[in-house]
Amino acid sequence: KAGVTQTPRYLIKTRGQQVTLSCSPISGHRSVSWYQQTPGQGLQFLFEYFSETQRNKGNFPGRFSGRQFSNSRSEMNVSTLELGDSALYLCASSLGLAGDTDTQYFGPGTRLTVL
Amino acid sequence: GIQVEQSPPDLILQEGANSTLRCNFSDSVNNLQWFHQNPWGQLINLFYIPSGTKQNGRLSATTVATERYSLLYISSSQTTDSGVYFCAVSFLSNDMRFGAGTRLTVKP
Repeated sequence: KAGVTQTPRYLIKTRGQQVTLSCSPISGHRSVSWYQQTPGQGLQFLFEYFSETQRNKGNFPGRFSGRQFSNSRSEMNVSTLELGDSALYLCASSLGLAGDTDTQYFGPGTRLTVL
Repeated sequence: GIQVEQSPPDLILQEGANSTLRCNFSDSVNNLQWFHQNPWGQLINLFYIPSGTKQNGRLSATTVATERYSLLYISSSQTTDSGVYFCAVSFLSNDMRFGAGTRLTVKP
């Protein structure tokens, strides 16, 4: 069974641009969670989607948004990029809601650099 | 929200040594997981352990939910154990909140 895949793996953008990251969960998984990892703030929860609905949201500005498609693939979008958005963006999939299930499977991440 | 604190923040060991990593949390949790992030950034689930004790090879974990802490034991450490160990908890089926992690370096 294929693992969680994220594309692209690396991305360089400039301030003010927008970016879209993609995550394909493990087949059969209905939940996709997104996290931002930075050296200063650690691993921070962005949002979780389950069956195309946002179920939980972390404390991030409205520039961060996401969606989930009927095949459970998910995208997250960051508009008006700021230098502080440089980070490793991780997605994780699980059969049920992340808080209810025994295992989250993480993708390799997308490393975003904002210049 | 739930506070998750991990200690120690950094740990350096010689190969073959044993170690104990701790995770304290501020509220009752319905989900607690330990993860290992390797030097290339990949996060791997080690244990799902909201209570009780589990063992998997050289690794074991114990969670005492009534006292709000969990411990991860690594025995006979190997260089491949290096990386960052995270504890993540969830309360009432909300999102998983991660601690700041313990960075483990195992020297040959």
